[in-house]
Parts: sequence; C-alpha cells; structure tokens
Amino acid sequence: QVQLQQSGPGLVKPSQTLSLTCAISGDSVSSNSAAWSWIRQSPSRGLEWLGRTSYRSKWYNDYAVSVKSRITINPDTSKNQFSLQLNSVTPEDTAVYYCARYLSAVKTFDIWGQGTMVTVSS
Amino acid sequence: DIQMTQSPSSLSASVGDRVTITCRASQSISSYLNWYQQKPGKAPKLLIYTASSLQSGVPSRFSGSGSGTDFTLTISSLQPEDFAAYFCQQSYSAPLFTFGQGTKLEIK
Repeated sequence: QVQLQQSGPGLVKPSQTLSLTCAISGDSVSSNSAAWSWIRQSPSRGLEWLGRTSYRSKWYNDYAVSVKSRITINPDTSKNQFSLQLNSVTPEDTAVYYCARYLSAVKTFDIWGQGTMVTVSS
Repeated sequence: DIQMTQSPSSLSASVGDRVTITCRASQSISSYLNWYQQKPGKAPKLLIYTASSLQSGVPSRFSGSGSGTDFTLTISSLQPEDFAAYFCQQSYSAPLFTFGQGTKLEIK
C-alpha cells in the first residue's frame, strides 16, 4: 500500500523559502513507472500543479511556468523521499500543498499526501 | 495551457438522486481526463481515470464518460458520503496538468 507523508513548516515569512518534504512508503522515488509531483490549492487559484521529478535512466524535472524561476524539486534516494523548495515567497503562495504520485501508464494522480497548509506572513 | 471548465459550480441534491457533473476542455484532450472527490480538510481522492475507468475500491455508482472536449461524471444514486467537492483534471498536455475549478455537491 503506497503512502505519502508530508512534513515541513506551516508558516513562512515573505521573501523566504518554503520547504516541504514528502516521504514515500510502498514505492520508490526511482520508479520508472511513476513521477512525483507537488500540487497546491488555494481559494484564488484552485488546484495548481507546480512541478515533478521522475527517473527514466536519469533524473528529469518539470516545472509549471508560473513558478519556474522560483521552484526546485529534488529526489532523495537514500531516504526515499522528494522535496519542494519555493523561493522568494509572497502572500499569494499561501495555500495547502500536496505531494502526489503520477502513474505514467494511466496518466493520473492516484496517491496523494495528507496536505500541508502553508501561510506566508510576517 | 488547456483550460478546464466544470459546470455547475455548485449543486444541491438529495440522497438517492442521480447527479451529473460536466467538464469541458478548451481543446481536445482525447480521453486523458480524470475525476477526483475531495472532502473538507482532506486530499483529493481519485475516482475515475482516462475518462471512464473506475479506480479500484470506488463504488460502482460512480461512472465517467466522454472524449475530446466534453466529459461527464455521473453518480447514479447519491449516498450521504458522496456530498463533497469534485474536480476534473487533464493529462493530455502532461506535464502541464490543469484542473477544473470544482463542483461542490451539497445536501438539499
């Protein structure tokens, strides 16, 4: 049974870096049949895909245009997890952040983390 | 980006009703359309993938149909646990995934 467990702070100051981690159990971050994404949800933006990391003989990262200049997603094979870093945050980055597994064969997000409410405020 | 538009935005219905939610894509997405259910304070849960395939463990009262630009999610007989928000999501333009704005299903 695949599970994703998120961790990280719920409050970040403006201009600082938002950092979250998603620990994977029951699958591997190096899986050739999955990709590992971050998605956020806010009342103003709805559900917004932010980016993903995947392994296909080598590591690939893809990012949404809206955050491409500020985002980094890194896999950690030693801990079987992946992380999100979002730089230079503003109050508009306040949202619930989710990690999710994307299964390439059926092109769907089938497993989600529990979500982390992140507030950007001084 | 491919825009996904759901209708209605909210819907009131009673237990036992048949309910249909619509999702329209701004361009053809073949059958690369997924449906999720979300309850307050919880993560979205996958119901239907590739337009009409029922995710394992999801009750058979949920069904999906459509291709191209127009898709529907149908709940054949509403149960109390079905009152939630529903979202569509396209994977045609992967990795540029986009979601609908959601439909909130409330008890009449």
